[in-house]
Amino acid sequence: DIQMTQSPASLSASLGETISIECRASEDIYSNLAWYQQKSGKSPQLLIYAANRLQDGVPSRFSGSGSGTQYSLKISGMQPEDEGDYFCLQGSKFPWTFGGGTKLELK
Amino acid sequence: QIQLVQSGPELKKPGESVKISCKASGYTFTDYAMHWVKQAPGKGLKWMGWINTYTGKPTYADDFKGRFVFSLEASASTANLQISNLKNEDTATYFCARQDRTGWFAYWGQGTLVTVSS
Repeated sequence: DIQMTQSPASLSASLGETISIECRASEDIYSNLAWYQQKSGKSPQLLIYAANRLQDGVPSRFSGSGSGTQYSLKISGMQPEDEGDYFCLQGSKFPWTFGGGTKLELK
Repeated sequence: QIQLVQSGPELKKPGESVKISCKASGYTFTDYAMHWVKQAPGKGLKWMGWINTYTGKPTYADDFKGRFVFSLEASASTANLQISNLKNEDTATYFCARQDRTGWFAYWGQGTLVTVSS
């Protein structure tokens, strides 16, 4: 199985701060990566797919980048509504596997 | 609009079975596969597998072979997850999820919490 190592596990950011979350795959996943946000008690919401494509309706402060085994999610200007858990998901090979998650809080 | 509505929370004892349903609306049920995802309390997400809603053929991730069964009630646009011989480690929220045109899980049920406790 492809292992997805996500960092950091937790992050505290000030209003307006730019933050990055990383995911490293155990092998090349050819940009078959998505990022999700999950708020407490809710279902995950798709933010970014194919490593850098913004899902419809998602604010443009979210962006994704990366290739090969290294990927990142950037939030340019932290907002209060961005608090939550963030997960990466690789869809290159079955079984699809998620990163361990990053808990993002507003400082 | 596209909706996936899951059945309510369950409290079960070890060794019992549980069946969770996921009712789809707003699209043709058989046009998209249904996937299942597990989230243990305070933990990350784990993909369990999927069911072809046209043929009914299930595919299970290795960790979910044996006690887990995906099934359909296609006439009711419903996908089901049954777990038998429940163990404490099955305590989790289970989500159904559907891909969109991008190929990624864009539609999710609200989740069903299954608690296994003696």
